Amino acid sequence: DAKTTQPPSMDCAEGRAANLPCNHSTISGNEYVYWYRQIHSQGPQYIIHGLKNNETNEMASLIITEDRKSSTLILPHATLRDTAVYYCIVRVEAAGNKLTFGGGTRVLVKP
Amino acid sequence: NAGVTQTPKFRVLKTGQSMTLLCAQDMNHEYMYWYRQDPGMGLRLIHYSVGEGTTAKGEVPDGYNVSRLKKQNFLLGLESAAPSQTSVYFCASSYQGYFYGYTFGSGTRLTVV
Repeated sequence: DAKTTQPPSMDCAEGRAANLPCNHSTISGNEYVYWYRQIHSQGPQYIIHGLKNNETNEMASLIITEDRKSSTLILPHATLRDTAVYYCIVRVEAAGNKLTFGGGTRVLVKP
Repeated sequence: NAGVTQTPKFRVLKTGQSMTLLCAQDMNHEYMYWYRQDPGMGLRLIHYSVGEGTTAKGEVPDGYNVSRLKKQNFLLGLESAAPSQTSVYFCASSYQGYFYGYTFGSGTRLTVV
């Protein structure tokens, strides 16, 4: 499985866009990029995933570089409720595979 | 729909005691998982199940046993609790293992003294 590298923490201002980077330089062609987040004391929550193309949903946007070696999760208008630990995970979607979590980025949204 | 329900939410055990954590899901998911999360760390997979009657080991299975007698329930057992098992335990389920479809419970906070 490809290893991911995320900054351990970052701050952002309420109402501004939050850009969360993730490096996955050893990603292989059939591995997807997934983002989950964990708000304090709660179970993780799925945000978005993608393979090659940029993706957008009601929660966030995912920008994947052309060489697929890195990606950025964008929260377009961060709110205080977006304060959480954000996990970038790279895995092959295959039977018997399991989701594994690394350290993530601790994001603090400040008023 | 309740999603994934974990019971109990909190528990304090003495070293050597046993207990069972219950996870129930009402989404008809095939796959179920047990994770543990220690303070300031990410989640680590303990055991998982890909269907009724099946179980398999994850990253940190020692000291735990599991059973999946019914599709909707996944039980995690501690036979002889140790202080190193103090943690928050999360159960999750997914449809056929698709990673974007994981649904997590709200967690069980276990303290072993």
